Amino acid sequence: DAGVTQSPTHLIKTRGQHVTLRCSPISGHKSVSWYQQVLGQGPQFIFQYYEKEERGRGNFPDRFSARQFPNYSSELNVNALLLGDSALYLCASSLAPNTGELFFGEGSRLTVL
Amino acid sequence: RKEVEQDPGPFNVPEGATVAFNCTYSNSASQSFFWYRQDCRKEPKLLMSVYSSGNEDGRFTAQLNRASQYISLLIRDSKLSDSATYLCVVNKRDDYKLSFGAGTTVTVRA
Repeated sequence: DAGVTQSPTHLIKTRGQHVTLRCSPISGHKSVSWYQQVLGQGPQFIFQYYEKEERGRGNFPDRFSARQFPNYSSELNVNALLLGDSALYLCASSLAPNTGELFFGEGSRLTVL
Repeated sequence: RKEVEQDPGPFNVPEGATVAFNCTYSNSASQSFFWYRQDCRKEPKLLMSVYSSGNEDGRFTAQLNRASQYISLLIRDSKLSDSATYLCVVNKRDDYKLSFGAGTTVTVRA
């Protein structure tokens, strides 16, 4: 069975550009969460979507947005990129929204120059 | 103050040794507790949940102390494959986010 898949795996952008990251959850999982992990830190919560509705949002600026599609896949968009947005962006899926058992993808490693 | 704080380590231990480390959490409303494992440049994976009465999973033992707001993880008979960063995770009731600590790095040497 396929796990959580994310694309792209690596990307390089320049300041001011925007980026779209994609995530496909494990089949049957209806909840998708996005986390940002800066080197040397633990993952920080950005968004959670369940049944195509935003269920939670972390302490990130409005430059960050996301959505979930009818097939439960998800996109994370970041506008007006800053150097500080350089990080590993992790997508996680779960059966239910309020669970500690998250299944993470391998992440999208974003470098902003 | 950070929601979850961990000793970053590294803890360098020989094979077969026992290693233990703690994490503290600041929010007394925290309801659920977990340990995740993250290998270098890989994604986090759930290692085990932490129950109020403490629990074991093979060589791993987790304890929760609600009064002092800390969680511990003990690894017995360490293997080379236990080398990783261990992330402490807490979750409040009805909260959709998991709060991760920065991780404790364990290196097991031959």
